[in-house]
Amino acid sequence: QKEVEQDPGPLSVPEGAIVSLNCTYSNSAFQYFMWYRQYSRKGPELLMYTYSSGNKEDGRFTAQVDKSSKYISLFIRDSQPSDSATYLCAIMDSNYQLIWGAGTKLIIKP
Amino acid sequence: GAGVSQSPRYKVAKRGQDVALRCDPISGHVSLFWYQQALGQGPEFLTYFQNEAQLDKSGLPSDRFFAERPEGSVSTLKIQRTQQEDSAVYLCASRPGTGGAYEQFFGPGTRLTVL
Repeated sequence: QKEVEQDPGPLSVPEGAIVSLNCTYSNSAFQYFMWYRQYSRKGPELLMYTYSSGNKEDGRFTAQVDKSSKYISLFIRDSQPSDSATYLCAIMDSNYQLIWGAGTKLIIKP
Repeated sequence: GAGVSQSPRYKVAKRGQDVALRCDPISGHVSLFWYQQALGQGPEFLTYFQNEAQLDKSGLPSDRFFAERPEGSVSTLKIQRTQQEDSAVYLCASRPGTGGAYEQFFGPGTRLTVL
């Protein structure tokens, strides 16, 4: 079992829909949780990070961490075609290194 | 430029050839990472530098892979005697600090295809 599991998709939704992206992880000691967005033929770019449990909101994006169930989520409201990309969850281990999910390919249909 | 740059962007090699991939991190960034990203997968850690010191090379898949950062800025990832399974995108990232929740800034990657 991988340390971070993420459904690769693709996930296809109509423009304006609410999108929910999720990851599960195995090590309860993890504290920093990140979401990166990667457009085709580009490097990943940080969207949001969360420390410990709880919610964090930034515009149309909300990151949520539930440490009791080892489950992290990213919600996108009012999705736009420009949100079409691969979304990668990443978790920072005790050595400040990132452990990555496989990425979920998201397609927003106009 | 202000971001991380990598060269070449695309590299085609015949099996058995040696390749060298270059990373120019953001000026002043202490930490530098190399990752390998296979198609449809997340990045896999290869190695980590703090300034010129290679502190972690646990992710290098074999002794054919070698990385250096001699002056604590530009880094080169070298792959000797390339194999088809080496085909992937190689990402470089830099970070200003050495710990904490510092963001990693990624370059666009080098797409390596081994024929």
